[in-house]
Amino acid sequence: KQEVTQIPAALSVPEGENLVLNCSFTDSAIYNLQWFRQDPGKGLTSLLLIQSSQREQTSGRLNASLDKSSGRSTLYIAASQPGDSATYLCAVRKYGGSQGNLIFGKGTKLSVKP
Amino acid sequence: EAGVAQSPRYKIIEKRQSVAFWCNPISGHATLYWYQQILGQGPKLLIQFQNNGVVDDSQLPKDRFSAERLKGVDSTLKIQPAKLEDSAVYLCASSPSKGAGNTIYFGEGSWLTVV
Repeated sequence: KQEVTQIPAALSVPEGENLVLNCSFTDSAIYNLQWFRQDPGKGLTSLLLIQSSQREQTSGRLNASLDKSSGRSTLYIAASQPGDSATYLCAVRKYGGSQGNLIFGKGTKLSVKP
Repeated sequence: EAGVAQSPRYKIIEKRQSVAFWCNPISGHATLYWYQQILGQGPKLLIQFQNNGVVDDSQLPKDRFSAERLKGVDSTLKIQPAKLEDSAVYLCASSPSKGAGNTIYFGEGSWLTVV
């Protein structure tokens, strides 16, 4: 059974710091991995999607890497800003699963202090 | 472009009562999803529609939950009778098609409290 773990559960950093969020999964037979952002009381916003054949994806100050063989992904946020404060969730889609049948971690709650 | 619309945003009901949530996906999106997100956890897929057909409902508690997507556009998720453990946020989402790599767009959710 696929399990997704995110460490740390919460993180507080001063503005301007570079930071790394971690995601691990137990079954390497995945189709893709996605990182989402969730603001309080809101739905999820897709940040980056990495196909199983890819090693990383970048969007602006965000960079996500994938090491399928070790079951790990990281989300790197450069020069953090207070507006980055949110909960970050990673999710994997397993082979044979439907597109929406994503296995989510519990998320990392990020707080960026001015 | 309008996002995924959901209503009601908040609902409080007593256990054993029924409740229905409505979702209007982004225009032109063929695939629609309903997720359940319990506080402190990640979302769990309840049901996925492709147009008006069900693609995946393997995690839908069918004894009390039902969903339909008539005409392949709007969708309704119903819970009857509700249990305390159904207290959660119900997220509707949509994507352009079943294809790999398509971004899933989420609505803001319908918050259900069962007392």
